[in-house]
Amino acid sequence: DARVTQTPRDKVTEMGQEVTMRCQPILGHNTVFWYRQTMMQGLELLAYFRNRAPLDDSGMPKDRFSAEMPDATLATLKIQPSEPRDSAVYFCASGLDLAYEQYFGPGTRLTVT
Amino acid sequence: QKEVEQNSGPLSVPEGAIASLNCTYSDRGSQSFFWYRQYSGKSPELIMSIYSNGDKEDGRFTAQLNKASQYVSLLIRDSQPSDSATYLCAVKGDMRFGAGTRLTVKP
Repeated sequence: DARVTQTPRDKVTEMGQEVTMRCQPILGHNTVFWYRQTMMQGLELLAYFRNRAPLDDSGMPKDRFSAEMPDATLATLKIQPSEPRDSAVYFCASGLDLAYEQYFGPGTRLTVT
Repeated sequence: QKEVEQNSGPLSVPEGAIASLNCTYSDRGSQSFFWYRQYSGKSPELIMSIYSNGDKEDGRFTAQLNKASQYVSLLIRDSQPSDSATYLCAVKGDMRFGAGTRLTVKP
């Protein structure tokens, strides 16, 4: 069945290293969302795309985070340089369009030491 | 800042009881509303979507929407221990989620 996939599932890295997370949305979905979840902050919206165009990235720290969609089957979230406070679970979700439900991937658990 | 707010919880109900989860939102222009369930260590999964005022039922779940009051709720009838999870309210237009309400159903 159709699912959102994310890689890697777990990532442990040292402070200052670059981290790249990847997401493959469900085929045919034209919206992609990136969220970050921590115990303290809950589920935070970082950025989202429609038809590969970024619509809002106001939730991201601009100096270190970047999100792109090189093509319709791949979305990436990069952190450079990473910091311990970036430790969280990062979820990607996709949907048919902005007004409709989103389906979440399994998440990438990031630990920055 | 547009907001989505939920009962702080945690909410505990006995098995077989009705669990009531509530959510308010600030953006009057919101048109789509969703309830997600998230088990510990897992990703959120969609339970219900609702777009019009009134009730929408799906099995043991009923979503209720009142746009005038900017309020959406989720009722879980005949609660089961397997319903124990965190329930997240999401409001579109905003793409934002509430903080979630942790529900525990005790056998």
